[in-house]
Amino acid sequence: KAGVTQTPRYLIKTRGQQVTLSCSPISGHRSVSWYQQTPGQGLQFLFEYFSETQRNKGNFPGRFSGRQFSNSRSEMNVSTLELGDSALYLCASSSLAGGPQETQYFGPGTRLLVL
Amino acid sequence: GNSVTQMEGPVTLSEEAFLTINCTYTATGYPSLFWYVQYPGEGLQLLLKATKADDKGSNKGFEATYRKETTSFHLEKGSVQVSDSAVYFCALSDRDYKLSFGAGTTVTVRA
Repeated sequence: KAGVTQTPRYLIKTRGQQVTLSCSPISGHRSVSWYQQTPGQGLQFLFEYFSETQRNKGNFPGRFSGRQFSNSRSEMNVSTLELGDSALYLCASSSLAGGPQETQYFGPGTRLLVL
Repeated sequence: GNSVTQMEGPVTLSEEAFLTINCTYTATGYPSLFWYVQYPGEGLQLLLKATKADDKGSNKGFEATYRKETTSFHLEKGSVQVSDSAVYFCALSDRDYKLSFGAGTTVTVRA
């Protein structure tokens, strides 16, 4: 099975712009989660989707949004970019209902640099 | 809320040395516990997991035991190799559909 794929892998934007990141989960996986990784804050949970419904959201401003499509692919959007949004954005998928016992499998990440 | 505290690094070891990384957690329910590893420029890879108290997870020579009485999930490996150099993250998952991570421990193994 192919792993979790994320596109693009690298992105450079300027302050005030918006960006859309894409994630394709492992085939058959229906739960998709997003995380932000920075040197200062570590790994922080953004949101989780299952069957196109957001089930949980982390403590991020409303500029961060996401969605999931019927084929389980997911996108996240960041509007009005700030310098502090520079980070590695990781997507993870899990099978079945995405419960606590299930493993989340991570993609390689999208590295976003905001200038 | 849920939280994970893991031993701060960096940790530098010689090849064939014993590695231990401490991890303790706080959770309201009955979480599952994980160790993930991140190599430079890559995403996270699952190293091992345990889903209930007294379970032992193991993989590639690494082991960790879910200790409910001490709320711990310490990672150990008896003989490290240069290829084990990476950042290691302890994490827990509860009923809220998310992983809560520790700060990560950077391990460098020298030949």
